[in-house]
Amino acid sequence: DIVMTQSPDSLAVSLGERATINCKSSQSVLYSSTNKNYLAWYQQKSGQPPKLLIYWASTRESGVPDRFSGSGSGTDFTLTISSLQAEDVAVYYCQQYYSTPPAFGQGTKVEIK
Amino acid sequence: EVQLVESGGGLVQPGGSLRLSCAASGFTFSNYNMNWVRQAPGKGLEWVSYIISSSSIIYYADSVKGRFTISRDNAKNSLYLQMNSLRDDDTAVYYCARDRWLGSAIKYSFDSWGQGTLVTVSS
Repeated sequence: DIVMTQSPDSLAVSLGERATINCKSSQSVLYSSTNKNYLAWYQQKSGQPPKLLIYWASTRESGVPDRFSGSGSGTDFTLTISSLQAEDVAVYYCQQYYSTPPAFGQGTKVEIK
Repeated sequence: EVQLVESGGGLVQPGGSLRLSCAASGFTFSNYNMNWVRQAPGKGLEWVSYIISSSSIIYYADSVKGRFTISRDNAKNSLYLQMNSLRDDDTAVYYCARDRWLGSAIKYSFDSWGQGTLVTVSS
């Protein structure tokens, strides 16, 4: 099974500043025949279900603000919030969908400094 | 608007059973593959089970294999999770989640979620 590890576990960022979350998979999630990374990012606000932000490692879901961006390939990935807004306070999860079972990272809590 | 509404959660003793339901609306349910994902209190997300649109392909997490059964009724726009031999570590909010991808080639990107139903296993 693929194991997903995020860092840091939590971070505090000032409003308007950049937030960066890292995600590492225990094996590559890059499917060579399509050259796509089977990696998604979710946002979960307190008391709410998760929301899909990004899939294919860098494709924003419809309606997601462009301050959210994903990058990386193979085993190392990053979610960047370019200018943190108050409504971005949440726990963020990466998830691989390369193989069964799909696996989530442990989550990164983003707060306002 | 896509809506997924879970029900059936509650308090159950270890070794007991519970059946969760998820009522879908706002999309053509019979076209979409579906999943159950759970979250223990204060913990992260754990995928539980997957069922393809036709019910012909089903997968389970090792932690629930042999104890849980996923099923669907496309005529009723409903997804189910029969949970037997429940253990303390099955305590969690259980979410019904729609798979973003149609067909069977790609799975497990969850683009719509219900609000969840809480299952508490305790004596």
